[in-house]
Amino acid sequence: DGGITQSPKYLFRKEGQNVTLSCEQNLNHDAMYWYRQDPGQGLRLIYYSQIVNDFQKGDIAEGYSVSREKKESFPLTVTSAQKNPTAFYLCASSVSFNEKLFFGSGTQLSVL
Amino acid sequence: DQQVKQNSPSLSVQEGRISILNCDYTNSMFDYFLWYKKYPAEGPTFLISISSIKDKNEDGRFTVFLNKSAKHLSLHIVPSQPGDSAVYFCAASGNSGGGADGLTFGKGTHLIIQP
Repeated sequence: DGGITQSPKYLFRKEGQNVTLSCEQNLNHDAMYWYRQDPGQGLRLIYYSQIVNDFQKGDIAEGYSVSREKKESFPLTVTSAQKNPTAFYLCASSVSFNEKLFFGSGTQLSVL
Repeated sequence: DQQVKQNSPSLSVQEGRISILNCDYTNSMFDYFLWYKKYPAEGPTFLISISSIKDKNEDGRFTVFLNKSAKHLSLHIVPSQPGDSAVYFCAASGNSGGGADGLTFGKGTHLIIQP
């Protein structure tokens, strides 16, 4: 079955800790994205990658980092510099940039 | 500055009636619009899209209308069913002139279908 897999489903972060959210896709899509959803808010773009070994900042990249070493994988690291990390994080991919997005099932990150 | 606006945070509709969800945009460079449906603690799923060369697109119970002059689009669901209860996001993309920005999402409308 083709799709996007995010793990873990729930993640807890201690103060000062970096955590990494996993996103894997087997759809052979070139573009991948990370969005953040806060209650009552829309989806805000954190980072995106149009192709392997390339990525760009989105609207709210501060406190986050990404890598795109493989086409299938686009992990997101929430660093200690992100002061308000509690949110629902969504990974997505598309055949090419700005086309229809396919989303993973999300990771809920909470701060202990 | 919100470029995609969904001004109704929630909407309640009786089962079997028509649900109309609205979306306004400000960026005239947007040329592709999508609607997504989202259940709690899940990722959004694609519903229907429309490109700016059309003013209507239908897929089963779902129809999207685009009024470019008013920078307005709407999603019609008829008849509404209990499983339609979810948050609906409007999204837009296009050459915004400032480089590639990805899809821009509205804040969503929570649709509640009442029995």
